[in-house]
Amino acid sequence: NAGVTQTPKFQVLKTGQSMTLQCAQDMNHEYMSWYRQDPGMGLRLIHYSVGAGITDQGEVPNGYNVSRSTTEDFPLRLLSAAPSQTSVYFCASSYAAGASLEAFFGQGTRLTVV
Amino acid sequence: EDQVTQSPEALRLQEGESSSLNCSYTVSGLRGLFWYRQDPGKGPEFLFTLYSAGEEKEKERLKATLTKKESFLHITAPKPEDSATYLCAVRPLAGGSYIPTFGRGTSLIVHP
Repeated sequence: NAGVTQTPKFQVLKTGQSMTLQCAQDMNHEYMSWYRQDPGMGLRLIHYSVGAGITDQGEVPNGYNVSRSTTEDFPLRLLSAAPSQTSVYFCASSYAAGASLEAFFGQGTRLTVV
Repeated sequence: EDQVTQSPEALRLQEGESSSLNCSYTVSGLRGLFWYRQDPGKGPEFLFTLYSAGEEKEKERLKATLTKKESFLHITAPKPEDSATYLCAVRPLAGGSYIPTFGRGTSLIVHP
């Protein structure tokens, strides 16, 4: 049972480049979310999804897009990377929106934008 | 604005030396308070949910408690493998919000 799988683990981008961070879960969870973790700050919610076809903005959505075409996958797109997006990104999933914080987290993607 | 403050920022203990971590919060109605453990280079691991003042949850050497203003994570007779960063988060009641507020964490090191 893989749980929540994020790829890649590490990525370096140049300012203005675009990329997609992949997230997949194999637990048939309804709820999925993306967080970023920065030094000296708590985790911050970027976007979330309460089910396939439904997404919504979190606390810090600017510069990021998401889609949820299947239950399993929840990719995060950076359209034009900026140095302020240098961070560690975590994808998380839980069995239902009502248990959104009783979540399984992926191992993280460490992104550096130069 | 919801706020979560964790203290201390860092804590060093000897193996077997019990202690407590604090999570103080201000929130416009509490839907739940959550504790996580995070090992270096890994994602957080969910530990406990607390919903109302007076509630307690236990798991091995960890016990989480909740009052109307703060939560404590008590660590009894810790072992080196308990070394990690412990995160606290709150989810507000307001408007069915799914947006939580996380604290910055307490880094715990347990020396053998």
